[in-house]
Amino acid sequence: AQSVTQLGSHVSVSEGALVLLRCNYSSSVPPYLFWYVQYPNQGLQLLLKYTSAATLVKGINGFEAEFKKSETSFHLTKPSAHMSDAAEYFCAVRLHKGGSQGNLIFGKGTKLSVKP
Amino acid sequence: EAQVTQNPRYLITVTGKKLTVTCSQNMNHEYMSWYRQDPGLGLRQIYYSMNVEVTDKGDVPEGYKVSRKEKRNFPLILESPSPNQTSLYFCASKPQGQGFTGELFFGEGSRLTVL
Repeated sequence: AQSVTQLGSHVSVSEGALVLLRCNYSSSVPPYLFWYVQYPNQGLQLLLKYTSAATLVKGINGFEAEFKKSETSFHLTKPSAHMSDAAEYFCAVRLHKGGSQGNLIFGKGTKLSVKP
Repeated sequence: EAQVTQNPRYLITVTGKKLTVTCSQNMNHEYMSWYRQDPGLGLRQIYYSMNVEVTDKGDVPEGYKVSRKEKRNFPLILESPSPNQTSLYFCASKPQGQGFTGELFFGEGSRLTVL
């Protein structure tokens, strides 16, 4: 069965520092992978997705993620954190079934704090 | 504007008093789903629906009911709410079919407190 593990429930960085949020997945077939962001009192918004094309995926707000099959990882990075990046981030996996069938399975989330 | 709309956004109720959280999407999506979000547990799926009149249980369906009589609406029903159903609830939708990668579109959330 597929699953998602996010390492670190809380990550704190200084403004301007590198952001690295870790996500590992398990899947016996090529997955589709997603990162979502949840700002306070809001719903989840798609940041970026991997769908078996380029392994380095660029998303909104300067975030990117790299799919590494050998490491079963899909870590989220941003070179320079802004105060506005403070939010909770969720990694999700969907089994590729040749269509859009299949539910998303979410990790438990990582809360990012950005210090001035 | 394409959106998923949930109501109410905030609700405080008492144990045993039936309530319904409505969800409506204007994107003609076939698939709809309900999640609950609890601290440290992430998002857990309650129920989902692949299309009209087709619903199925997710990971935590106990104490909830759903119906899908129309494509745009997917209400979540708590027949007899209990305090352990205090949570933040999200409705989400996505289209089905080839060529779509499966990401979900989320509502703003409904925060429910059961006293």
